[in-house]
Order: sequence, then structure tokens, then C-alpha cells
Amino acid sequence: DGGITQSPKYLFRKEGQNVTLSCEQNLNHDAMYWYRQDPGQGLRLIYYSQIVNDFQKGDIAEGYSVSREKKESFPLTVTSAQKNPTAFYLCASSRTGTGRTNYGYTFGSGTRLTVV
Amino acid sequence: AQSVTQLGSHVSVSEGALVLLRCNYSSSVPPYLFWYVQYPNQGLQLLLKYTSAATLVKGINGFEAEFKKSETSFHLTKPSAHMSDAAEYFCAVSGGNTPLVFGKGTRLSVIA
Repeated sequence: DGGITQSPKYLFRKEGQNVTLSCEQNLNHDAMYWYRQDPGQGLRLIYYSQIVNDFQKGDIAEGYSVSREKKESFPLTVTSAQKNPTAFYLCASSRTGTGRTNYGYTFGSGTRLTVV
Repeated sequence: AQSVTQLGSHVSVSEGALVLLRCNYSSSVPPYLFWYVQYPNQGLQLLLKYTSAATLVKGINGFEAEFKKSETSFHLTKPSAHMSDAAEYFCAVSGGNTPLVFGKGTRLSVIA
């Protein structure tokens, strides 16, 4: 079955450590996204990529980095510069259409990151 | 630019009662509107979407939403709540081929 796989499901980070969250999709979607979810704050966009080897910052990109070397993969690195990384991270993908079309997203099951 | 306001961070209904979750949007261009549902520690699942066709949109699990341009609203309804509907619901908007902007969510509780 096609879908998005996020791993690991739970991740613990020590102070000053970089960690990478994996996101892989086999839906043949061009666009991929990373959102951060905190209680009562909804989803906030970190980074997105609409094509391989290109990505754009979202609203809260500071302290995060991404790469898009393959269509199927969009890993997110949480760097030591991110002062409050404890959150639930969601990856999503979507088709891209012509003009203004928006098909909506397919989401992964998320990674819960905790600083210890 | 687009934004979404979900009225009520928590809504509680009795089993069998009407579910009404409110969403108002702001968009400088004709919007694309979505409702998603999230169960604990899971990703989001698409319930329904409005993409400028019919203003009354039917989704999965008996949910529907009506696009009202004059009120800039896209409220989610279900005639009869079921215990399995207890979850968090998110409204989202896009101006087209741009990232979705999400509301802060509404947690729905269903009382037996």
C-alpha cells in the first residue's frame, strides 16, 4: 500500500545534540512538508519542498534543516540551535497540480521528539 | 495570505447529538478548504475538502461541511455523534498550490 513512513516513532535528544527525523513516501508525490505540532497551537510549517533539490522555509524554520535529494525522501534535522525542540513532528506529501489546484495532504503517523 | 480561526478549543456533545465544529477563514484569493481529523499520537486524516465545486461537501464517516463565502465560514457538521468521533479536528486553508495553513484545532469529546 502507498503511504508515508516516519521513523522513529519516539526520539530522545540530549542537550546540544543534532537529530534527524526520517520521512519516506511511495505515493509518487512531488511535494513534501514538515510541520511541528504543540498542544493548543495547531500545526506550524517548518519547511517544504515542491521538487527534488529545492526547498523553502516555512514559518518556524530556525534551528531546523532539510534536504531533498530524492523524490521519495525528505529528512528533517533538528539542530542544537533549536532551543525548544520537544514536540510532535508530522511529515506530509501532496500531488502538485497545474495552476491553483490543491489536492490536500497525506500525512505520516508522526515522530514525538523529547529533550532529556 | 491565508489564515484560519477555529472557534472553541474543546467541544463536548452527547452521543447521538448534532456535532458542529466552527471554522472561519481569511484568504485574499478564492480558497481551498479542508477538514482533517487526528486521533491521539497519530497523523492527520482527510475528512473532506472544498475546491470550488459544490458548496456542500460530503466527507467520510458521515461528516459534511458547507462553504459560505458571505460568512467566510466552512463549518463541519455531523447529524448524530458516535463515540468513535472523539478526536481532534483541524480546519485548513490554501490559496492554491501553496502550503496549507492550519487552525489550532478543536478537541471533540462525546459523552455516553
